[in-house]
Amino acid sequence: EAGVTQSPRYAVLQEGQAVSFWCDPISGHDTLYWYQQPRDQGPQLLVYFRDEAVIDNSQLPSDRFSAVRPKGTNSTLKIQSAKQGDTATYLCASRYRPSGNTLYFGEGSRLIVV
Amino acid sequence: QQKVQQSPESLIVPEGGMASLNCTSSDRNVDYFWWYRQHSGKSPKMLMSIFSNGEKEEGRFTVHLNKASLHTSLHIRDSQPSDSALYLCAASTAGSFNKLTFGAGTRLAVCP
Repeated sequence: EAGVTQSPRYAVLQEGQAVSFWCDPISGHDTLYWYQQPRDQGPQLLVYFRDEAVIDNSQLPSDRFSAVRPKGTNSTLKIQSAKQGDTATYLCASRYRPSGNTLYFGEGSRLIVV
Repeated sequence: QQKVQQSPESLIVPEGGMASLNCTSSDRNVDYFWWYRQHSGKSPKMLMSIFSNGEKEEGRFTVHLNKASLHTSLHIRDSQPSDSALYLCAASTAGSFNKLTFGAGTRLAVCP
């Protein structure tokens, strides 16, 4: 079974530039999460979807961050006008609610903003 | 906001030794704890979960939970160099598995 796939694996931006991260969850998983993991810290939830619907985006810095999952499968997280404080790894995770509570994470997209 | 505190921040154990990691939640409503392991540059992978008071063992890994003190611990016996990783503790309240709160992790190094 394929795992959660993310791309790109790395991105280096100047402040003010934009970037999009893409996530392909495990097939059939209805719930998809985006986490931000700063260096030497634990993951922090940004937003999560059930199918195509945003369930909670309260931790998403809405003025510059946006996330979509239009068909309830793949998802894109976009950062506009990046700041140095956005430097972190962006992790996507998915879960199939009927079969348990384990989150399956991708390997992440590492962002450095200079 | 719920906080999850992990200790120690880092730990060095000899190969074959015992590693003990701790995690405490500040939210009295927390009911569920998970331990994830993250090798450098890799994705976090769930090791064990615990929801009831007591102890749970899987191979070399044992997890304890004391719900009264909201404290969980992970013990790794016969530690191997391949166990070297960041260990993340996560907690959630009942019915809120979608909102895991992670601690900052304990970085374990097992030296041959």
